[in-house]
Amino acid sequence: SAVISQKPSRDICQRGTSLTIQCQVDSQVTMMFWYRQQPGQSLTLIATANQGSEATYESGFVIDKFPISRPNLTFSTLTVSNMSPEDSSIYLCSVAPSGQETQYFGPGTRLLVL
Amino acid sequence: AQSVTQLDSQVPVFEEAPVELRCNYSSSVSVYLFWYVQYPNQGLQLLLKYLSGSTLVKGINGFEAEFNKSQTSFHLRKPSVHISDTAEYFCAVRDFGNEKLTFGTGTRLTIIP
Repeated sequence: SAVISQKPSRDICQRGTSLTIQCQVDSQVTMMFWYRQQPGQSLTLIATANQGSEATYESGFVIDKFPISRPNLTFSTLTVSNMSPEDSSIYLCSVAPSGQETQYFGPGTRLLVL
Repeated sequence: AQSVTQLDSQVPVFEEAPVELRCNYSSSVSVYLFWYVQYPNQGLQLLLKYLSGSTLVKGINGFEAEFNKSQTSFHLRKPSVHISDTAEYFCAVRDFGNEKLTFGTGTRLTIIP
């Protein structure tokens, strides 16, 4: 398994501002994922972030709105840019340790945009 | 393309009663199957997984699930639930050779004292 931490755990932001969410893993992993969970909804994959390459975004998500960094094998950030109330969600990062078929999730960042 | 269907959005169950949460999937290839649990105001925790081998898999907290290939199902069961089982349960599928997880819409399990 993997132990994953996220910062901040929650935040309240004003529309038009940006928030950067950090994800830290206790071991080196190649693949990291960012998900969004809108209120009362399931998880939707935003992008896959591999170290040393550009993130791969899913349909409906663009780099200008959700820029991702992956500077090393234990860390990643997701920025939610120019926020609107529709961005109010839980944002979760997950990792798939090498050789394992399972994804492990962080505790999530609860974002409220006013 | 793949999809996951959780037919029951909410399931109320009396304490100490058995429960089954249903999950069906569609995929053109072989799959890995997972159940995750999300307790209130927390992230997702892996309950159990099917990768290969025995179709009956046991997980944490007394939960088990059975993979049925012919019915493309992976239903989650517990013989006797506890108040602490109150949570949202998500079924997820991953195709062989693909790193992406596809989630169902979730089932909210409420335990009635």
